[in-house]
Amino acid sequence: EAQVTQNPRYLITVTGKKLTVTCSQNMNHEYMSWYRQDPGLGLRQIYYSMNVEVTDKGDVPEGYKVSRKEKRNFPLILESPSPNQTSLYFCASRLAGVVNEQYFGPGTRLTVT
Amino acid sequence: KNQVEQSPQSLIILEGKNCTLQCNYTVSPFSNLRWYKQDTGRGPVSLTIMTFSENTKSNGRYTATLDADTKQSSLHITASQLSDSASYICVVSESYIPTFGRGTSLIVHP
Repeated sequence: EAQVTQNPRYLITVTGKKLTVTCSQNMNHEYMSWYRQDPGLGLRQIYYSMNVEVTDKGDVPEGYKVSRKEKRNFPLILESPSPNQTSLYFCASRLAGVVNEQYFGPGTRLTVT
Repeated sequence: KNQVEQSPQSLIILEGKNCTLQCNYTVSPFSNLRWYKQDTGRGPVSLTIMTFSENTKSNGRYTATLDADTKQSSLHITASQLSDSASYICVVSESYIPTFGRGTSLIVHP
């Protein structure tokens, strides 16, 4: 089944404890991206990657890192999480070309205390 | 600053009725406009994608329109069903940078 998977789906952590949220897709998509969704603010792009070893900042990259060493994986790294990073996170992927359909993962709900 | 405004913020309709959701944007240069459906706690699912040259696109009971001159789009839902209850998000992109609207929350009552 063609899909985008994220792990973990739920995570509660403490301020300053490094964490990684994994994202994987099995559709051979070149483009992958991370978003966060907060009540009243909607979805905002954190980082995106147009292909292996090519990443770029979105609207809200502060406090996050990403890497794209393999085409199928695009992990999101929080080196020192803070409470303002408590949010619902989505990974998404699509084929290269700006008008291809984008597929979202199921989401990761992160709480930083 | 690029902005996408959606209206209404929320909408309640009876099953079987039609409804129209609005999206106004200031994104420039314009690449494409997408409508997504998002069920509570789940990832958005693509409904339609339109480029500058397209002014209407259908996906089953969902029909999106685009007026690139006035920078407005609408999503029309025909013969609503209970399963249409969700948030509908308009996204306008310049190349690879999307700007998301805050969504319209639709509730369909039996």
